[in-house]
Amino acid sequence: DAGVIQSPRHEVTEMGQEVTLRCKPISGHNSLFWYRQTMMRGLELLIYFNNNVPIDDSGMPEDRFSAKMPNASFSTLKIQPSEPRDSAVYFCASSLAGGYGYTFGSGTRLTVV
Amino acid sequence: QKEVEQNSGPLSVPEGAIASLNCTYSDRGSQSFFWYRQYSGKSPELIMSIYSNGDKEDGRFTAQLNKASQYVSLLIRDSQPSDSATYLCAVNMGAGAGNTPLVFGKGTRLSVIA
Repeated sequence: DAGVIQSPRHEVTEMGQEVTLRCKPISGHNSLFWYRQTMMRGLELLIYFNNNVPIDDSGMPEDRFSAKMPNASFSTLKIQPSEPRDSAVYFCASSLAGGYGYTFGSGTRLTVV
Repeated sequence: QKEVEQNSGPLSVPEGAIASLNCTYSDRGSQSFFWYRQYSGKSPELIMSIYSNGDKEDGRFTAQLNKASQYVSLLIRDSQPSDSATYLCAVNMGAGAGNTPLVFGKGTRLSVIA
């Protein structure tokens, strides 16, 4: 199994530009999570999906952030417009339902200048 | 507010010693508990899970859970320099067996000195 696949690994963009992060979960996993990690705040949950349906997006910082999961094998996290304070590492993780641990992707390091 | 608290460290131990990492959580109804290891610049990697009070051993790692005290710990025996990393405690704070999200502590940085 290739694990959770995220792209791109690194993204540098200018303030105001649109950024799209991509994630392919492990086949058969029915839950997908987007987290953001910074030194100050640690790992913060942004949004999660069960069976492709968004369940809780209360962690999304503001309306500039949106996420979709059009099918079981693909999810996107979009930031529009991006701001310097969005600079962080964004992780996607997937799991089976039932309280199991997550498998994380390699992350996307986003820098907004 | 659902919280997971960890001492940020750094925790320094000599090679071959036992490293003890601790974690407390706020939700008494929590059901599932995990320890992740994260090397610098890498993603978190699941190393232990525990669901019942008591100890669970896996190789050099032992997870301990005390639900009454809302306390989880990880012991690493015979610590090696390769164990130097940040260790994240994660707790499933939803009731029941549903797949509610994990809440992560900010991690404890462990340094094993050769």
